[in-house]
Amino acid sequence: DAGVIQSPRHEVTEMGQEVTLRCKPISGHDYLFWYRQTMMRGLELLIYFNNNVPIDDSGMPEDRFSAKMPNASFSTLKIQPSEPRDSAVYFCASSIGRGGRRNEQFFGPGTRLTVL
Amino acid sequence: GNSVTQMEGPVTLSEEAFLTINCTYTATGYPSLFWYVQYPGEGLQLLLKATKADDKGSNKGFEATYRKETTSFHLEKGSVQVSDSAVYFCALTNSGGSNYKLTFGKGTLLTVNP
Repeated sequence: DAGVIQSPRHEVTEMGQEVTLRCKPISGHDYLFWYRQTMMRGLELLIYFNNNVPIDDSGMPEDRFSAKMPNASFSTLKIQPSEPRDSAVYFCASSIGRGGRRNEQFFGPGTRLTVL
Repeated sequence: GNSVTQMEGPVTLSEEAFLTINCTYTATGYPSLFWYVQYPGEGLQLLLKATKADDKGSNKGFEATYRKETTSFHLEKGSVQVSDSAVYFCALTNSGGSNYKLTFGKGTLLTVNP
């Protein structure tokens, strides 16, 4: 089975540019999570979706960040405009909300974002 | 609210040494508890889990027991290998409700030397 797929794996951009990160969850999973990981703050949950609907976006740092999930197999996290302090590794994870394996989150390989 | 506290790293051990990484939690209700591992340059992987008190999760020689009386879920391995070098995260979720958010500890970096 294919795991969670993220693209790009690495992104280098200049301050002020728009950045779009992409995620394809595991087929059949109905929960999708976006995390940010930095040395200073560790792993932070930004937003999560259930059946393509945003449930909790309280971790989104500010209006420059937005996330969408237009269908069950695709989600995007957009930063516009980007700032150097947004530099981090961004992870997408998915899980199935029922059965014995519910609450087990499967993580993608991450996108390493560098904003110059 | 929920919180997870795990021992500060880094932890450096020699191969075949005994490993303990402490984890304690604060949560309402009856949380499920997890250990995730992150190898260099990769995403997090579920290592083991326990869903109720006194459950023992185990995988790849690692074990952790859900202790409700001490609100702990310490990770142990009897004999570590160089390949176990990674960052280990303790986490919880309140699986009894509709909230599927994981609350993570800050992570503990383990380095195993040959």
